[in-house]
Amino acid sequence: AQSVAQPEDQVNVAEGNPLTVKCTYSVSGNPYLFWYVQYPNRGLQFLLKYITGDNLVKGSYGFEAEFNKSQTSFHLKKPSALVSDSALYFCAVRRGGSYKLIFGSGTRLLVRP
Amino acid sequence: EPEVTQTPSHQVTQMGQEVILRCVPISNHLYFYWYRQILGQKVEFLVSFYNNEISEKSEIFDDQFSVERPDGSNFTLKIRSTKLEDSAMYFCASSEEGGQGQPQHFGDGTRLSIL
Repeated sequence: AQSVAQPEDQVNVAEGNPLTVKCTYSVSGNPYLFWYVQYPNRGLQFLLKYITGDNLVKGSYGFEAEFNKSQTSFHLKKPSALVSDSALYFCAVRRGGSYKLIFGSGTRLLVRP
Repeated sequence: EPEVTQTPSHQVTQMGQEVILRCVPISNHLYFYWYRQILGQKVEFLVSFYNNEISEKSEIFDDQFSVERPDGSNFTLKIRSTKLEDSAMYFCASSEEGGQGQPQHFGDGTRLSIL
C-alpha cells in the first residue's frame, strides 16, 4: 500500500538557521513527490516536486528538497529560515497510473525570531 | 496568479440534507479533483474528473457523492444525504494536465459542518 510518513509533528528553528522537514514514502514503481505548504485558513499551496533526474530540486520561496531513493526519503530544506515560513507543511506522493495524491500527516514549522 | 476558488467557505447543514460544494478551477486546467480532511486526520483523495467523466475515485466516494461540471467554469461536489461523519474540510484542486508530474493546485477549502 502507498503511504507517506512525516515523523515530526512540529519542527522548531530559529530565524536564520537552516531547516529540515522530513518525509519518507512507500509506493510501488517510480514515485512522484510533492511538497505543499498551508498557511492558516488557506488551501494547500504547491512548493516543489520531484519527477526524475537531479536529486536536489528547487522550489518556491527558497525551499529545496532532496530525493534519496535508497532511503525512500524526500526531505524539505531551506538554508536560512524566515519567521514567515511558519506554517503547516505536507509531503505527498503520487504513483504512476493514478491521479491520487497521498498525503502525509503534516509537520508544523515554527520559526522563532 | 490564477487561483482555484471555492464557495462557500463554511457550510452548516442538518444531517440527512443534501449539500452542494462549489469550485471554480483555474481557467485553462483540464483535470479536477476533490479531497477532504477530517479534523485531526490526513488529507484524503475523493475523486478525479476529466472530460466530463470520473477518472478515478476512492472507496470513500460512494453513491452518496457525485460530481458535476455543469458549465464551462464550475465544478461541484454533491453529497446526497449528509451524515455526521461527512463533517470535514473539503478541498477542490485542478491541474493543467493529468500527468504524474503535474502539480495539483488547491482552493482554500469549504468547511462542512453537519449538525
